[in-house]
Amino acid sequence: DAGVTQSPTHLIKTRGQQVTLRCSPKSGHDTVSWYQQALGQGPQFIFQYYEEEERQRGNFPDRFSGHQFPNYSSELNVNALLLGDSALYLCASSLQTGSGANVLTFGAGSRLTVL
Amino acid sequence: DAKTTQPNSMESNEEEPVHLPCNHSTISGTDYIHWYRQLPSQGPEYVIHGLTSNVNNRMASLAIAEDRKSSTLILHRATLRDAAVYYCIPRAYNNAGNMLTFGGGTRLMVKP
Repeated sequence: DAGVTQSPTHLIKTRGQQVTLRCSPKSGHDTVSWYQQALGQGPQFIFQYYEEEERQRGNFPDRFSGHQFPNYSSELNVNALLLGDSALYLCASSLQTGSGANVLTFGAGSRLTVL
Repeated sequence: DAKTTQPNSMESNEEEPVHLPCNHSTISGTDYIHWYRQLPSQGPEYVIHGLTSNVNNRMASLAIAEDRKSSTLILHRATLRDAAVYYCIPRAYNNAGNMLTFGGGTRLMVKP
């Protein structure tokens, strides 16, 4: 059973460019969220998508946007890239149960370097 | 979500038990306590969670203090593969979203 798959695994962009990262959730999961992890730090929540709508958002500017498709896969878009956007971007999926006991499955991440 | 305090790093010998502590003194009475770990070059991985009682699964055990202000993740026999950063994450019982608040975690080093 495939877990969460993310693409691309690595990419390099220059300041001011735009980037799109992709995520396929674990089979049977319907909720996707994105996290940013700077080097040496813990992951930080960006936003969550459920039923193709953004449901929760962390403290990130609106340069960060996303989308969820009917098959539950998701994209993260970042516009006007800054050097500080260099990080590992993690996608996590879960089954929406309405409970804080639900478990998240994370992908291996997409490593973005902004030059 | 409640704040957590964990040691920055811990060291263990292979095949010995490891006790990873976490203080969460501001935890609410209905917050779950989740533990995730992150192996090098991978995304975080779920380990275990609990509410009030101690919990066991194939990966680890979770011991929760009676006042719930602290918990301990127990790896019964550490292996080299257990070298990772371990995160303790309180989570409201009705927090159905995927917003986990990660702190700095504890970096566990396992010596052969």
